[in-house]
Amino acid sequence: GAVVSQHPSWVICKSGTSVKIECRSLDFQATTMFWYRQFPKQSLMLMATSNEGSKATYEQGVEKDKFLINHASLTLSTLTVTSAHPEDSSFYICSASSTKDSYEQYFGPGTRLTVT
Amino acid sequence: QKEVEQNSGPLSVPEGAIASLNCTYSDRGSQSFFWYRQYSGKSPELIMSIYSNGDKEDGRFTAQLNKASQYVSLLIRDSQPSDSATYLCAVRASGYSTLTFGKGTMLLVSP
Repeated sequence: GAVVSQHPSWVICKSGTSVKIECRSLDFQATTMFWYRQFPKQSLMLMATSNEGSKATYEQGVEKDKFLINHASLTLSTLTVTSAHPEDSSFYICSASSTKDSYEQYFGPGTRLTVT
Repeated sequence: QKEVEQNSGPLSVPEGAIASLNCTYSDRGSQSFFWYRQYSGKSPELIMSIYSNGDKEDGRFTAQLNKASQYVSLLIRDSQPSDSATYLCAVRASGYSTLTFGKGTMLLVSP
């Protein structure tokens, strides 16, 4: 149980375009989903927290107009990187949790974004 | 500010030995504690969670929690080369849904 999927697993896009990443909880209802970014050889950096049907809560320093998060249902959240630039190239990872599991977070496999 | 500290390593152990990974945290209000394993280029995988003082065992893994000392550890018995990865300690404070992650300890198990 507790499987989280992400799509796509990798994406290459041109500077100035937008990219959407999907995160799905496959076998449980995720009351909360999280979006992280990880640069090479660095730790996870939480970008935002989203609850189904509510606006996302962004961490300090994360531009909410650039990283659009939608949590439309208990099994789906999306992250859209708008007007991407090369410095947005990173490993984006979502996680999901259900209060039934005492806030354990289960991670998706991640999406590697390269902006050229 | 909530902080979670881990030795970055690498921690090198021979195959079959016990690997001991340590983590300290600053927020006394922390309620939930997790260990994640992350292979290079992959996302983290939850391997242990612990919520009360004492030991919790799952197969070759044992998590130990001491809230008075604000200390949590992970023991890996009979270490295997496939255990070579970065181990992340994560802590959740009461009333919060977010986790605070340490920077991780790299474990290298040599055959």
